[in-house]
This record gives sequence, C-alpha cells and structure tokens, in this order.
Amino acid sequence: GAVVSQHPSWVICKSGTSVKIECRSLDFQATTMFWYRQFPKQSLMLMATSNEGSKATYEQGVEKDKFLINHASLTLSTLTVTSAHPEDSSFYICSSKPGLHLEQYFGPGTRLTVT
Amino acid sequence: AQKITQTQPGMFVQEKEAVTLDCTYDTSDPSYGLFWYKQPSSGEMIFLIYQGSYDQQNATEGRYSLNFQKARKSANLVISASQLGDSAMYFCAMSRGDNTGKLIFGQGTTLQVKP
Repeated sequence: GAVVSQHPSWVICKSGTSVKIECRSLDFQATTMFWYRQFPKQSLMLMATSNEGSKATYEQGVEKDKFLINHASLTLSTLTVTSAHPEDSSFYICSSKPGLHLEQYFGPGTRLTVT
Repeated sequence: AQKITQTQPGMFVQEKEAVTLDCTYDTSDPSYGLFWYKQPSSGEMIFLIYQGSYDQQNATEGRYSLNFQKARKSANLVISASQLGDSAMYFCAMSRGDNTGKLIFGQGTTLQVKP
C-alpha cells in the first residue's frame, strides 16, 4: 500500500506559540490531502481538505486563520497551528488517496500538547 | 446529510472466537463507499476492508468480512478467529459519491480480545 508520513510524531509547545506539522506522501503524488483531528477516545473529525497549488477548503466550524494549511508540492502538505492554546492539544492525522485507490492512507499522526 | 453510527462503545471477545462490530449509515447519495479502519493504541489508522454501494457481494479480506445489508443501511464488520492483536479501536467510515474523497467516521468501537 501507499505510505504517508508525518513529522513530528509528537510535539509539546507553550501557549501562544505556533507549531507546524508536515504530511508527506512517500511513494505517490498527492494532489489532495486531508487533515483530521482526534480527541482521546473519540472519532476523527475532518478539519480541512488540502489541495496542491490552491487554497485549502475548511469544514464548518474550523478556523482557517488558526489552522493554516499549505500544500506547495505534490508530496507535502503542512498544517500550522497558530497561537496555540491548551484546547488545541489533540491528535492530528493526515491522509491521502493515491490515484484510483479506493482507500485512503493515513499518516501515523502527530500528538500535540500545548502547555 | 450523511451520518455513520456505531452503537457499541466497547466489546469483548474471547480469543479464537468471532465478533461482529455494528455500523449503520444514512445517506441520500446513490453512490458511496463504506470502510472499516483499525486504530491500535499507537494511533495509526489501518485500512481493513471496503464495500462499494453497488457491490453485489459482501467484501472479504482474510479474517475480515463486511456484512452489507443495503436496505437496512448497515455495514457490520465480522472478525473471525479473533487474535490478541485485534484489540484496538475500530472505525466505520463512509465516503461520498462525489469523488471528493472525504470520509465521515463513526464514533468507534473499542474491541478487547481476552486470552
């Protein structure tokens, strides 16, 4: 299957700072990537769709100025949590669907803790 | 609006026995896909099985099978011969028929396999 990586796997930052999370497709070109957020013991919530070379589309209720998404190449999408607060602490997962594949492939996730 | 419902927050099964995880869905799209993903404590999302809305036969992948009952809008996952390594959270998900690739996830079911 296709491989999606994320970096970092975990990060701790202080309140008010920004943190960038990278999502890479290692063996396929990803024109579209998805960013999800997951709280402990809860489901995945789609935050936004990242489109290569164009603006991301955000789901209702997700602040686009707080969660900046950049998809500058066919293999890399980044999510930047700006001015992070403790309530932004969560597990962030990216995914992509290569070509004609039916299933999405997920990155291993990034655990963000804001202190 | 689309919705996925998993009504079993937690399930126990004895090792080597079979277990069924329930999933019901609601959609007005004529074309859609149904997925099951496994999420171990490490957090990675592992694709298990896929069923298309027009597929006549139930999908099977090794020890996993999907009991697709379209009229009842259910897509239950059956795991045969449970193994200790099957202990994880399981998510049912649905994709829209509009080729956006977006997935909607159910609440998840935590499965524990007892030795």
